Amino acid sequence: GENVEQHPSTLSVQEGDSAVIKCTYSDSASNYFPWYKQELGKGPQLIIDIRSNVGEKKDQRIAVTLNKTAKHFSLHITETQPEDSAVYFCAAYNNNDMRFGAGTRLTVKP
Amino acid sequence: NAGVTQTPKFRVLKTGQSMTLLCAQDMNHEYMYWYRQDPGMGLRLIHYSVGEGTTAKGEVPDGYNVSRLKKQNFLLGLESAAPSQTSVYFCASRVTGNYGYTFGSGTRLTVV
Repeated sequence: GENVEQHPSTLSVQEGDSAVIKCTYSDSASNYFPWYKQELGKGPQLIIDIRSNVGEKKDQRIAVTLNKTAKHFSLHITETQPEDSAVYFCAAYNNNDMRFGAGTRLTVKP
Repeated sequence: NAGVTQTPKFRVLKTGQSMTLLCAQDMNHEYMYWYRQDPGMGLRLIHYSVGEGTTAKGEVPDGYNVSRLKKQNFLLGLESAAPSQTSVYFCASRVTGNYGYTFGSGTRLTVV
């Protein structure tokens, strides 16, 4: 089955700096790659996603890039704010099988 | 519009006890999922359903059973709880053609 690896496991940045989280996947048939944000005591919330026929997608301060050849995708957050502090999960989807990375705990220091 | 609602939010069980976790969604979603979340392991799929009356096994189904008698509800059962089932359980749903999941707020289960 699919295997998704996510790095780093923890990330601390200064407010206003950029943050980058990277994921790799193993199944070349995976065709949908979402990113979820999980705040303390809450369920994961979808923040951005990308399909396999697109290389990059942007939504205000967040962007996701996908390299199908290398089988990796990344989340970029610019101008980070304290409210961006949370755990972020990447995932890869194929045929009703969504596999998640282990998560990255992002801390934005004011 | 409540989205995905999970009950209960917290529960402590003794080894060998049974319980049922309820997931309810009011978005008319066809697909529903049960995940468990353990530290350092992300979310792992237990069982899922592609529609009313259907269920299928996920990555870690052993020790769990599910039922989807109504489209809006997806029940997760533990027949004989074990300490290894201590976890946070999340339900999710999605609509056909859109792969983005809507998650509930989770159930924290402790088996002692």
